[in-house]
Amino acid sequence: DGGITQSPKYLFRKEGQNVTLSCEQNLNHDAMYWYRQDPGQGLRLIYYSQIVNDFQKGDIAEGYSVSREKKESFPLTVTSAQKNPTAFYLCASSMPGQAYEQYFGPGTRLTVT
Amino acid sequence: SQQGEEDPQALSIQEGENATMNCSYKTSINNLQWYRQNSGRGLVHLILIRSNEREKHSGRLRVTLDTSKKSSSLLITASRAADTASYFCATALNYGGATNKLIFGTGTLLAVQP
Repeated sequence: DGGITQSPKYLFRKEGQNVTLSCEQNLNHDAMYWYRQDPGQGLRLIYYSQIVNDFQKGDIAEGYSVSREKKESFPLTVTSAQKNPTAFYLCASSMPGQAYEQYFGPGTRLTVT
Repeated sequence: SQQGEEDPQALSIQEGENATMNCSYKTSINNLQWYRQNSGRGLVHLILIRSNEREKHSGRLRVTLDTSKKSSSLLITASRAADTASYFCATALNYGGATNKLIFGTGTLLAVQP
């Protein structure tokens, strides 16, 4: 089955620790995205990547970092510099260009205490 | 700030009724998309309407787009309890770039009572 996977589904961390969220896709999509969703809110773009070894900051990149070493993978690291990291994180992928829909993973709920 | 705003924020209807959600946006777009999110899950793409289209249908879904008013509506006909979810509009900006950056609205929470 083609799709996009995120792991783990739930993640708990202590304040001050970095944590990396996994995102893998086998849809052969060039573009991948990370979003953050807070309760009752829409999605806000953290980082996106149009192609391997390239990525750009989204609207709320501070306190986050990404890498894109393989087409299939786009991990997100939530660093200790992120002031309010507790949120629902969604990864998505798409064909490149403006005309295409995005395919979403099931999300990772991160709780930092 | 977010580009799209949905209205209403929440909607409760009986099974079999129609549900209409509206989305307004601020700047010129390439296309507008509607997504559905079940509680605690990822988003699922429902329908995409291009800026030169005015109406589009997919099964029980009907989407309209009025670029002069910068607004779109999503109509779900003959609703079912399984339609209970949050619905988001997302706009792809028309800036000539190659990036498929979407800007999401705040969502409408639809509850369909059996």
